Amino acid sequence: QVQLVQSGAEVKKPGASVKVSCKASGYTFISSHIMHWVRQAPGQRLEWMGWINADNGNTKYSQKFQGRVTITRDTSASTAYMELSSLRSEDTAVYYCARPVVPATVRVGFDPWGQGTLVTVSS
Amino acid sequence: DIQMTQSPSSLSASVGDRVTITCRASQSIGFYLNWYQQKPGKAPKLLIYAASSLQSGVPSRFSGTGSGTDFTLTISSLQLEDFATYSCQQSYSYPLTFGGGTKVESK
Repeated sequence: QVQLVQSGAEVKKPGASVKVSCKASGYTFISSHIMHWVRQAPGQRLEWMGWINADNGNTKYSQKFQGRVTITRDTSASTAYMELSSLRSEDTAVYYCARPVVPATVRVGFDPWGQGTLVTVSS
Repeated sequence: DIQMTQSPSSLSASVGDRVTITCRASQSIGFYLNWYQQKPGKAPKLLIYAASSLQSGVPSRFSGTGSGTDFTLTISSLQLEDFATYSCQQSYSYPLTFGGGTKVESK
């Protein structure tokens, strides 16, 4: 079945960068599939960060994170990556990757999701 | 940005109850509205997409209605496994945004 498996928890100091991976299995990664990244700070609502087209590498970012987030992919490894730089305490959150429920379609819901990666930013 | 407002923020219900959660968008989003269920420490699970399409594998007691700015998620007969937090999400325009969640608790 379609599965997204993310890398493990990270603890970072303010000002550092973090790179979270998301390995896909159970489907053809590059078949025009979009991969979204969403985060959820403790007690807060879900927050969309951006997506990458696994086929051509095109990206779309939320303006809030523009300049700090970079989403990439390695098609040979069927893996997407989200790197967030200049970390601050407010970036402490669980970060998720998620695929659109309809392949190659952006404007639909997300399913499945990765299991989440906790990133803690603390001095 | 499109603001998504859910009500209520929490509710208490019993097994077998009919539960209704509403989501309002700050501008018209057509049918580009999705609903998720989330349990503590777990990733969200898609229940409904495109306002009323039931995701594969989701029980038929879940249903979604609405268009434009006002949407509703209904659980026709609440089951034990349905106690969770429910969130709406608009996929009409960027940035994609989520509602603040509705926590369904046991009465």
